Amino acid sequence: DGGITQSPKYLFRKEGQNVTLSCEQNLNHDAMYWYRQDPGQGLRLIYYSQIVNDFQKGDIAEGYSVSREKKESFPLTVTSAQKNPTAFYLCASSTHKNTEAFFGQGTRLTVV
Amino acid sequence: GQQLNQSPQSMFIQEGEDVSMNCTSSSIFNTWLWYKQDPGEGPVLLIALYKAGELTSNGRLTAQFGITRKDSFLNISASIPSDVGIYFCAEIQGAQKLVFGQGTRLTINP
Repeated sequence: DGGITQSPKYLFRKEGQNVTLSCEQNLNHDAMYWYRQDPGQGLRLIYYSQIVNDFQKGDIAEGYSVSREKKESFPLTVTSAQKNPTAFYLCASSTHKNTEAFFGQGTRLTVV
Repeated sequence: GQQLNQSPQSMFIQEGEDVSMNCTSSSIFNTWLWYKQDPGEGPVLLIALYKAGELTSNGRLTAQFGITRKDSFLNISASIPSDVGIYFCAEIQGAQKLVFGQGTRLTINP
């Protein structure tokens, strides 16, 4: 079945460690997105990518990094520079022509 | 980026009541999207609007793209328990930058 997959669903890390969240899609979508959601809050855009080997900062990119080496994959690294990394992270994808984005199930990251 | 102002932030209603929420922007856009998020899950697209004045229904849900292209509303008729969740409006800003409102949290009392 076609879809967008995030892994793992739950992730625990020690403070000061970098951690990479996986996002894979087999929908042949051009654009991919990473959002952060805090309890009771909306979705804030971290990074997005319109095509392979290209990406742009969203509204809260500081402390995060991404890569887009393959169309299917858009991993997000939460670096030690991110001051408050504990949150729910959502990945999404869409085609260029169709603006409707489809989301993964999310990864809940807890930093202790 | 441009702000999307979504209201109300939360709603507490009785089962069977109708619900209305809206989203406004300071800029003109070509697309309005409405999503629903269940607890611990990713948002799911409910309705997409592409034309000013467009009125679209999906079952008990109805959404409209405002004539000014700066606002949109979502109505849910005869609410049921599975309507509980967070509803988001979203817009495409610039080249594929998908931005979301703050969300409306819907709680239904049986």
